[in-house]
Amino acid sequence: TQLLEQSPQFLSIQEGENLTVYCNSSSVFSSLQWYRQEPGEGPVLLVTVVTGGEVKKLKRLTFQFGDARKDSSLHITAAQPGDTGLYLCAGAGTNTGTASKLTFGTGTRLQVTL
Amino acid sequence: GAVVSQHPSRVICKSGTSVKIECRSLDFQATTMFWYRQFPKQSLMLMATSNEGSKATYEQGVEKDKFLINHASLTLSTLTVTSAHPEDSSFYICSARDATSGTIMETQYFGPGTRLLVL
Repeated sequence: TQLLEQSPQFLSIQEGENLTVYCNSSSVFSSLQWYRQEPGEGPVLLVTVVTGGEVKKLKRLTFQFGDARKDSSLHITAAQPGDTGLYLCAGAGTNTGTASKLTFGTGTRLQVTL
Repeated sequence: GAVVSQHPSRVICKSGTSVKIECRSLDFQATTMFWYRQFPKQSLMLMATSNEGSKATYEQGVEKDKFLINHASLTLSTLTVTSAHPEDSSFYICSARDATSGTIMETQYFGPGTRLLVL
C-alpha cells in the first residue's frame, strides 16, 4: 500500500508569511500532483510534477518533486487569505495497473488570517 | 478546462434506502472514472475505478454489493449506495480521466462532490 504523509496537518499563519508543506512517502511515484480543496467542493488541480528534481512555479507557489520521486514540497510565498484551504498531494503509481490511480496524501489544512 | 458534474450536490435519505449519485464528463469522453469518499477533516480515499463497458474495480475493504457502480457510457458513471446507513454519510467525489491523449497518466478532473447524509 502506498502511503503519502503530509506535514504539517494544520497551519495557521498571518497574511504575508511564507510556508512550506511537505509530502513524503517510502514509495516511488510516476508523477505527483498537488490539489487545493475548499469546503464542500471537489479538489482543484494546481500542478503535476513528473521528473525527479523538477521544480515548478505557479505565481507565489513553488512545487518541487524529490530526486527519488518519493517526496514533494509546496512553498507559498507571502501567503494571502485566498490561499486558505485544504492542500492535498496525490501520487500516481509506477505500474501499469496503478499508474492511473491516485493515492492522496493526508492533507494540510491552511488558514491565512489578516 | 474539462468539466465534471455530479448530481445531486447533496442528499438526505432514511436509513435502509438506496441513493444514486451521477458523475458526468461534460465536454470530453472518459473511459475511466474514479469514485472517492471523504470523511470530515480527512483526505480522499479511492473506493473504486469505474471502467466504461466493464465491471468496476473496487479497492480493498469496499463492498461491491453495497456500492454499485455502473459506467454505461463514455460520459456517465453512477454510484448507488444500497441500504444506506448513517455510517455511509460522507462526501462522495468522482473524477474522470480524459481518454483522448492516449497515455495512462492523463489528468483526472474532479467533480464538485455529493454530500450524503443518512438519517
